[in-house]
Amino acid sequence: EAGVTQFPSHSVIEKGQTVTLRCDPISGHDNLYWYRRVMGKEIKFLLHFVKESKQDESGMPNNRFLAERTGGTYSTLKVQPAELEDSGVYFCASSRQGTNEKLFFGSGTQLSVL
Amino acid sequence: EDKVVQSPLSLVVHEGDTVTLNCSYEVTNFRSLLWYKQEKKAPTFLFMLTSSGIEKKSGRLSSILDKKELFSILNITATQTGDSAVYLCAVEKQTGANNLFFGTGTRLTVIP
Repeated sequence: EAGVTQFPSHSVIEKGQTVTLRCDPISGHDNLYWYRRVMGKEIKFLLHFVKESKQDESGMPNNRFLAERTGGTYSTLKVQPAELEDSGVYFCASSRQGTNEKLFFGSGTQLSVL
Repeated sequence: EDKVVQSPLSLVVHEGDTVTLNCSYEVTNFRSLLWYKQEKKAPTFLFMLTSSGIEKKSGRLSSILDKKELFSILNITATQTGDSAVYLCAVEKQTGANNLFFGTGTRLTVIP
């Protein structure tokens, strides 16, 4: 079974630019989550999709962040325009059911905004 | 405010040592506590604890939860270099998608 894959693994951009992160969940997983870890801090929730619908986006920092999940398959997270404080590791996770025990994480995208 | 605190932040031990990692929490509507291991990139699931006093074991790893004192420990016996990783503790709340709160992790380094 293929795991959760994220692309790119690293992204270095300048302040003001746009970046799009992609997450391919495990096939058949309806639940898809985005998390972020800022250096030195804990991993924090950003948002949750159930299929193509946003179930909860209460963790999104501001309106510079836009997440989509077209057709309920892969998801993208766009940051536009990027700011310095957006730097961190963005993790995607997916699950078949609602329990976190079965939450599978991707390897993350390391975003550096210069 | 919900929070999860792990200690120590980092730990260096020699192969064969036994280590204990700590996780304390303050959350409303507690449902479960989870431990993850993050070696290079993706956190991988280790344990899920819901009841006090019941130890979960997997090989050299074991974990237990104390819901009265609001903490959990993760023990690793006879450590190996392959145990080197960041160990994350997360607490799950009863409701809501934003229901998984992580600690900052403990970085364990096992030297030969």
